[in-house]
Amino acid sequence: SYELTQPPSVSVSPGQTANITCSGDKLGDKDASWYQQKPGQSPVLVIYQDRKRPSGIPERFSGSNSGNTATLTISGTQAMDEADYFCQAWDSRTASVVFGGGTKLTVL
Amino acid sequence: QVTLKESGPVLVKPTETLTLTCTVSGFSLSNTRMGVSWIRQPPGKALEWLAHIFSNDEKSYSTSLKPRLTISKDTSKSQVVLTMTNMDPVDTATYYCARYGDYIDYWGQGTLVTVSS
Repeated sequence: SYELTQPPSVSVSPGQTANITCSGDKLGDKDASWYQQKPGQSPVLVIYQDRKRPSGIPERFSGSNSGNTATLTISGTQAMDEADYFCQAWDSRTASVVFGGGTKLTVL
Repeated sequence: QVTLKESGPVLVKPTETLTLTCTVSGFSLSNTRMGVSWIRQPPGKALEWLAHIFSNDEKSYSTSLKPRLTISKDTSKSQVVLTMTNMDPVDTATYYCARYGDYIDYWGQGTLVTVSS
């Protein structure tokens, strides 16, 4: 089955740039999405179709996807961005939704 | 306004069958672009996709859990139902339903299901 791999944790200082990666075989050929989840809350879509931002998501969130890696970039990271982030793709071969294992972003 | 809301038991016993209902509003389950997925998350762990039902009633299941899962929908009631058989304590998790077109744009609030005798 298709797998997506994320680093368990990423740390960043306030105001700096955070990069969270998501790796999968030929992931660049698929559309990648990213979700933010804060404790006790449902996930929220922050990036879809590799690089698009839903309405209401700050411009500091951006995405890219090429080769085997998709990347979520948070520029000028704020304390409120501290959360778990999950990448996701659709595996057309098995008609399955696939999630990465999640990355805990710490802003310190 | 699109909303999804999960309902079902908060506690089930081992070996029992879990039945969860997702009631949607703000969109139709017959919308050709939209389907509904069920996803779960054990406490402190990652999201795990379980099943998906398309607008044309086609279904797709997690390979590892397929023998235990059934997804169905009642378009007239705007409901999607998931059943999971032979529940085990490791199935303790928050269960979410979510709207999926080319990505998940709306999630339900989730319902915590505990499996314990």
